[in-house]
Amino acid sequence: GQQLNQSPQSMFIQEGEDVSMNCTSSSIFNTWLWYKQDPGEGPVLLIALYKAGELTSNGRLTAQFGITRKDSFLNISASIPSDVGIYFCAATNTGNQFYFGTGTSLTVIP
Amino acid sequence: SQTIHQWPATLVQPVGSPLSLECTVEGTSNPNLYWYRQAAGRGLQLLFYSVGIGQISSEVPQNLSASRPQDRQFILSSKKLLLSDSGFYLCAWSDSSYEQYFGPGTRLTVT
Repeated sequence: GQQLNQSPQSMFIQEGEDVSMNCTSSSIFNTWLWYKQDPGEGPVLLIALYKAGELTSNGRLTAQFGITRKDSFLNISASIPSDVGIYFCAATNTGNQFYFGTGTSLTVIP
Repeated sequence: SQTIHQWPATLVQPVGSPLSLECTVEGTSNPNLYWYRQAAGRGLQLLFYSVGIGQISSEVPQNLSASRPQDRQFILSSKKLLLSDSGFYLCAWSDSSYEQYFGPGTRLTVT
């Protein structure tokens, strides 16, 4: 099925640094989602975005729904060791078919 | 609140043996239900989804099948496992909120 283009594939950062990752598509979507997956566990929904241009925060996480409706961004401020994991973007137009990015693997160096 | 359960958590099965993975959702009615497989390369591959009892859509032709015998129960099966069936299997649900929630996953190793 269709995949979203997510970048970067992996990131190695120092504790305390800010992190940015993005997700793009050739198609328009009306809902964007961001997930975090810890090793051996299912992805956990972090943020849901429903409106173009929308900026939503969840603690140190901030996500934006791109104005073109073809992209979304996730920022993590002041990273800590427990931020380690794989971050996925997802998008849907119907609420019953979801498309996923290939994930960004984040490593935080203490 | 809604909860999604998957079992077993881990499974080691020989090639050619049958498979049955179960997923149940609590706290919601008539959810859309999904089975994904996640290989070591971490991408999520949609296997099946269901919008209602007895309604199954297959995304990838393979030796797996899915059934939805009850509103909040989704089962993934195989009559004969292949080595290539090894992976991390995730069940998920969604509703009219356009948000999708995942279960804890089942790690399947076919030997």
